[in-house]
Amino acid sequence: DTAVSQTPKYLVTQMGNDKSIKCEQNLGHDTMYWYKQDSKKFLKIMFSYNNKELIINETVPNRFSPKSPDKAHLNLHINSLELGDSAVYFCASSQGGTESSYNSPLHFGNGTRLTVT
Amino acid sequence: AQSVSQHNHHVILSEAASLELGCNYSYGGTVNLFWYVQYPGQHLQLLLKYFSGDPLVKGIKGFEAEFIKSKFSFNLRKPSVQWSDTAEYFCAVNDFNDYKLSFGAGTTVTVRA
Repeated sequence: DTAVSQTPKYLVTQMGNDKSIKCEQNLGHDTMYWYKQDSKKFLKIMFSYNNKELIINETVPNRFSPKSPDKAHLNLHINSLELGDSAVYFCASSQGGTESSYNSPLHFGNGTRLTVT
Repeated sequence: AQSVSQHNHHVILSEAASLELGCNYSYGGTVNLFWYVQYPGQHLQLLLKYFSGDPLVKGIKGFEAEFIKSKFSFNLRKPSVQWSDTAEYFCAVNDFNDYKLSFGAGTTVTVRA
């Protein structure tokens, strides 16, 4: 059973389009994250949610909007896609609330490779 | 936020060679330290972690890392690598003041058979 699953695995789209990436975890974790991995493999946190509440919101364009309908799901919606949005987006989760997530390793999904043409 | 430096961008070595990857971080207080591995085309997986206690931690697949507080370092080692260790290796750190996990830029390890 996949612990953290993301869909789609690949996403190719044109500039200006709006797209969503879905993420679900079946680990019972309270905290979920979105990370962006650029072409140089550098990983940068974008958002973190704890029990459906936003706790980390890095300097990300407001074209990116996370949505957490429940603590097992954290979706990422991207409006008006730009070439620079091309990257691999990883969803992750960790156990516990805000403070205990400090001690908890992240469990990553398989990533979504977004290509904007 | 933490600053995490991984000294080696790309390491190429032969099977059975020893591997050591450097990692340094910026925060002087209490930290948690992690090494993650990303095999080609796969997601990141935890190799090992350090929270407290014995500064020499052992992880999966024969990897170990040593936390040296005075040097702000958490270097990863493996005595004898295999072809299957070809992957990206990421050091990551968080501290009690910042729940965000900060990653280093990663080190690409290529093991030649």
